[in-house]
Amino acid sequence: NAGVTQTPKFQVLKTGQSMTLQCAQDMNHEYMSWYRQDPGMGLRLIHYSVGAGITDQGEVPNGYNVSRSTTEDFPLRLLSAAPSQTSVYFCASSYEGSRTGELFFGEGSRLTVL
Amino acid sequence: EDQVTQSPEALRLQEGESSSLNCSYTVSGLRGLFWYRQDPGKGPEFLFTLYSAGEEKEKERLKATLTKKESFLHITAPKPEDSATYLCAVSGYSSASKIIFGSGTRLSIRP
Repeated sequence: NAGVTQTPKFQVLKTGQSMTLQCAQDMNHEYMSWYRQDPGMGLRLIHYSVGAGITDQGEVPNGYNVSRSTTEDFPLRLLSAAPSQTSVYFCASSYEGSRTGELFFGEGSRLTVL
Repeated sequence: EDQVTQSPEALRLQEGESSSLNCSYTVSGLRGLFWYRQDPGKGPEFLFTLYSAGEEKEKERLKATLTKKESFLHITAPKPEDSATYLCAVSGYSSASKIIFGSGTRLSIRP
């Protein structure tokens, strides 16, 4: 039982490049979400999903795309990377989502955009 | 729009010195208030959920309480291993299934 697995752990991009951060969970959780964490700003919600085929925007969705074709996977796509997207990205999943707030987090993906 | 404000930003305590962390929130219809602990370089780890004013939850040296406007995380006789960033989050009935976090309090316990 691996929990929530994020890849890659570290990535350096040039401005304008695109990439996908992968997130997979093996707990059969319906609820999944992506956050970014910047110094002094806590966690900010990018996108979330309450089940396969259903996604919605969070607080800071611009510049990011998501899809949820399976229960297990929730990839985050950066369309055209900008230095402002330099951050640590966390994926999280939950059995009951916002009802209990018990999110299980991955270990994070540290992204640097030059 | 749901908002969470945590104070102080950072807190340094001596081992055994009890204190409290504050989480003020603005939400239209509180669904739940959540506390997390985050160690450096790791993802946050869930601690508690509180649903209504007056509710309390305890875990070892930590006790979380809730009023209609704020939540407190009380730390009793802390040990160095309690050093971490503590995050507060909320979910409101009017904001679909979003879970919104505050910026956290960085707690350091000196031996």
